[in-house]
Amino acid sequence: GAVVSQHPSRVICKSGTSVKIECRSLDFQATTMFWYRQFPKQSLMLMATSNEGSKATYEQGVEKDKFLINHASLTLSTLTVTSAHPEDSSFYICSASSQNSYEQYFGPGTRLTVT
Amino acid sequence: GQNIDQPTEMTATEGAIVQINCTYQTSGFNGLFWYQQHAGEAPTFLSYNVLDGLEEKGRFSSFLSRSKGYSYLLLKELQMKDSASYLCAVRDHGDYKLSFGAGTTVTVRA
Repeated sequence: GAVVSQHPSRVICKSGTSVKIECRSLDFQATTMFWYRQFPKQSLMLMATSNEGSKATYEQGVEKDKFLINHASLTLSTLTVTSAHPEDSSFYICSASSQNSYEQYFGPGTRLTVT
Repeated sequence: GQNIDQPTEMTATEGAIVQINCTYQTSGFNGLFWYQQHAGEAPTFLSYNVLDGLEEKGRFSSFLSRSKGYSYLLLKELQMKDSASYLCAVRDHGDYKLSFGAGTTVTVRA
């Protein structure tokens, strides 16, 4: 099956710093990538949808200037959490889908802790 | 938007059967997914229904009724490793976005 990787798997940063999370599709071309956030014991909440070569579409309530998304190639999307605060501590998960595919393939997630 | 409801928790005995219900109210519908998620890990795909009826895949089966906005995931011959959270997700028509329910935590006891 299709494989999606994320890096790093865990990151701890200080309040006010920025953190970049990478999402890669390893064996297929991901025309669309999705970024989710999941707080403890809650479900996945979609943050944004990114299509290769175009600007990301953010869900209501998600600050686009704080969560910068770049989808520069068909195999890589990045999420940068700028000026991180403790309330940004969460599990960030990406998923990827290829053109005309009904399935989203999820990455293993990145645990972000902001101190 | 989407409104997706599923029970918070369920407990069952090893070897038994458990049925997880999911109801949804959506502005558009283009398929319903079930995912399994173990703590601290990403969701893994279990099943996909877009037409009414039952889809069977080994020990797991999923049912969909579009007119009732209802689905269930049936887990048979429960094993300890089936203890996890099960997420119901509905896909919007046209943009492939998924909206997830809050998840049902299934605990399998010996």
